Amino acid sequence: SQKIEQNSEALNIQEGKTATLTCNYTNYSPAYLQWYRQDPGRGPVFLLLIRENEKEKRKERLKVTFDTTLKQSLFHITASQPADSATYLCALPIRRGNTPLVFGKGTRLSVIA
Amino acid sequence: DAGVIQSPRHEVTEMGQEVTLRCKPISGHDYLFWYRQTMMRGLELLIYFNNNVPIDDSGMPEDRFSAKMPNASFSTLKIQPSEPRDSAVYFCASSALRWANYNEQFFGPGTRLTVL
Repeated sequence: SQKIEQNSEALNIQEGKTATLTCNYTNYSPAYLQWYRQDPGRGPVFLLLIRENEKEKRKERLKVTFDTTLKQSLFHITASQPADSATYLCALPIRRGNTPLVFGKGTRLSVIA
Repeated sequence: DAGVIQSPRHEVTEMGQEVTLRCKPISGHDYLFWYRQTMMRGLELLIYFNNNVPIDDSGMPEDRFSAKMPNASFSTLKIQPSEPRDSAVYFCASSALRWANYNEQFFGPGTRLTVL
């Protein structure tokens, strides 16, 4: 089954800079990949989905890329703000087809004012 | 819609006691998932249902864990007997199988379980 690695447990950046989080996966290439945000004491919240035939997806200050050759997705937050501080999880299907998701352990982002 | 509802939000119990966690999914969603989250292991899928039927329970750690979904608006996760290593945050999530959404999941607020 699929395994996910998110590059670091924690990332600290200065307000206004771009945060870049990495999600690497093994085994097969999924049909899509998702990113979620989780705040302390709350459940994950869906942010973005990118399909295997899409190289890049944007939503406001968020940008996600998907490189099936490298088996990697990058998640960027531009002009970061302290309110962006949270844990970000990537998720993708356990197997091809309509299957449940497997989640990475997440990267805890802290944006320092 | 109120979103996914879970109860209780916090549960403290003693080892050996029975624990029941409850979940009400979003109306109209036909998939329901139970997850467990710990610092060590992250978010792990325990079991999921489609149209109230359990599809895959391979993530359930032991026979002490059981889950039911008697109707489309209610599910329970039961641990009997509970052990300290069961301490974790348990999340329920639901989703609708719509092509455009590619299985986006909506999570509840979680139940923080502490077994002493």
